[in-house]
Amino acid sequence: QQQVKQSPQSLIVQKGGISIINCAYENTAFDYFPWYQQFPGKGPALLIAIRPDVSEKKEGRFTISFNKSAKQFSLHIMDSQPGDSATYFCAASETYSGGGADGLTFGKGTHLIIQP
Amino acid sequence: DVKVTQSSRYLVKRTGEKVFLECVQDMDHENMFWYRQDPGLGLRLIYFSYDVKMKEKGDIPEGYSVSREKKERFSLILESASTNQTSMYLCASREGASSYEQYFGPGTRLTVT
Repeated sequence: QQQVKQSPQSLIVQKGGISIINCAYENTAFDYFPWYQQFPGKGPALLIAIRPDVSEKKEGRFTISFNKSAKQFSLHIMDSQPGDSATYFCAASETYSGGGADGLTFGKGTHLIIQP
Repeated sequence: DVKVTQSSRYLVKRTGEKVFLECVQDMDHENMFWYRQDPGLGLRLIYFSYDVKMKEKGDIPEGYSVSREKKERFSLILESASTNQTSMYLCASREGASSYEQYFGPGTRLTVT
């Protein structure tokens, strides 16, 4: 059972354009939704994350939009640059009542290419 | 800066061999994780550890075991390597259960022939 579905699998955007990657989740107990960026030969690095108490979070050119009722969240990269070319993963996890948190459940990833 | 290091970047082993993948973090983090990454499948959680000597199964623990004897070190063990365990293995650490951000190492690309 795939708990986090990510689309598209690959994406090509012109420099200066907006890159949009979408994720949908099934587990309503998820309460933490990060996006990770991975460059070739490197481990994933946290890009931006959101909790379900807000509908949008912006950090520089990166914005997460969150729709709790639809169980969907998306990453928007404004003014996309060639240096943004990487693989992006959405993920989700839940916090247990005792305060513990589980490992992350990842989407399958989006290979983003920004053309100069 | 948090640093997560993995003992090998590339590893080639034969079917049936016992394989140890080592991970070390230098930030006194309580939680550590092992994931495998495969094209088109994303990252999948194998095992994680809340604290020394504590371990929990993730989504795909079959064929793997782990060891955490010291806080900074988390080992993934393939008791008898098989070709379907050829993959990129990523280790991550997290400060504690009340925090969320996971810090990843560079990965070990394991090939089992």
